[in-house]
Amino acid sequence: EAQVTQNPRYLITVTGKKLTVTCSQNMNHEYMSWYRQDPGLGLRQIYYSMNVEVTDKGDVPEGYKVSRKEKRNFPLILESPSPNQTSLYFCASTKNSGQQITVSSYEQYFGPGTRLTVT
Amino acid sequence: AQKVTQAQTEISVVEKEDVTLDCVYETRDTTYYLFWYKQPPSGELVFLIRRNSFDEQNEISGRYSWNFQKSTSSFNFTITASQVVDSAVYFCALSEALTGANNLFFGTGTRLTVIP
Repeated sequence: EAQVTQNPRYLITVTGKKLTVTCSQNMNHEYMSWYRQDPGLGLRQIYYSMNVEVTDKGDVPEGYKVSRKEKRNFPLILESPSPNQTSLYFCASTKNSGQQITVSSYEQYFGPGTRLTVT
Repeated sequence: AQKVTQAQTEISVVEKEDVTLDCVYETRDTTYYLFWYKQPPSGELVFLIRRNSFDEQNEISGRYSWNFQKSTSSFNFTITASQVVDSAVYFCALSEALTGANNLFFGTGTRLTVIP
């Protein structure tokens, strides 16, 4: 079954304790992305990756790191979490890289979400 | 800069009523894409539709229809004969060819409650 998986689904942690949220897709997609969802703000992009070893900042990258060593995986790293990073996080992937100006955008597949609470 | 506005924060309708969710966007790009996603109470994001800026045809899929009007920069979503299962948060989103066709900018969402 084609899917995007995230782990963990729920996480409660304390300020400053490094954590990683994993994201994996089994569709051989080139593009992957992380979003956070906050009440009243909708979803905002944190980081994205057009392909292996190619990552770039989205709208709200502060406090986050990512890596793309393999095509299927795109982990989100919080080196020193703070309470303002309490949020619902979504990973997404799509078929093409989106790099070429004229390329068409495709449907994005979203993971089930990770609810993170930082106390 | 790009922007998506969903002015309706919450809407309540009685079952079987029709309801329209508004979406207004801003972009300087001539090639862009518009999306609608549904987020039911279970929390996942469900893709509903994608439209590119060169295709202004309205679309109908069952009880769902979308009205894309470039003249007013709007991409409104109508649910006909609403059902309780339509209760969800609905997001409109925009991506631009110039800033990355896959980088979605979301509106703040409209929470739809369908009352039985």
